[in-house]
Amino acid sequence: DAGVTQSPTHLIKTRGQHVTLRCSPISGHKSVSWYQQVLGQGPQFIFQYYEKEERGRGNFPDRFSARQFPNYSSELNVNALLLGDSALYLCASSLAGGGGPQFFGPGTRLTVL
Amino acid sequence: AQRVTQPEKLLSVFKGAPVELKCNYSYSGSPELFWYVQYSRQRLQLLLRHISRESIKGFTADLNKGETSFHLKKPFAQEEDSAMYYCALSPYNNNDMRFGAGTRLTVKP
Repeated sequence: DAGVTQSPTHLIKTRGQHVTLRCSPISGHKSVSWYQQVLGQGPQFIFQYYEKEERGRGNFPDRFSARQFPNYSSELNVNALLLGDSALYLCASSLAGGGGPQFFGPGTRLTVL
Repeated sequence: AQRVTQPEKLLSVFKGAPVELKCNYSYSGSPELFWYVQYSRQRLQLLLRHISRESIKGFTADLNKGETSFHLKKPFAQEEDSAMYYCALSPYNNNDMRFGAGTRLTVKP
């Protein structure tokens, strides 16, 4: 098993653009969570999806949205990009939606110019 | 609100010395506590969770509810322990995980 995979690995966008990040969970895992990690800080929780439904949302603006597909993969969308959105975006999967360890992907490095 | 504090950004010890990485949390309910580690050029990976009460790579962590702490300890540090360590908390039965800012541990030869 390759573990959690994310694409793309790196991305450069300009202010005002839109971006879509993708994540495939570990086989058998039904929950996907998204995190933003700014340099020098720990990951910050953005969303959790379980069985295609949003189960949790962190303190992020409505420009951030996500969805989960029937195969449990997930997309994170960010509209109207700001310079401050530059960060490493991490996806984590877990067996179920109710706590327990999460397994992280390698992340997507987003740079907004 | 749930919060995790790791007071040391950097920690440096010599090989063979004991090491303790501090983690304090605030949460009114029953939390699950975790330690995650990130070695150079690798992804974030789970090291310990408090309910397992196990020792991984010689590391242990005890949840102290009175002091709201979950410090990570190892009696004899090895050079390969050099990494970034994150303490994390999630409410019981919930995947909203909050991370501390992390502590970079360097073990010198």
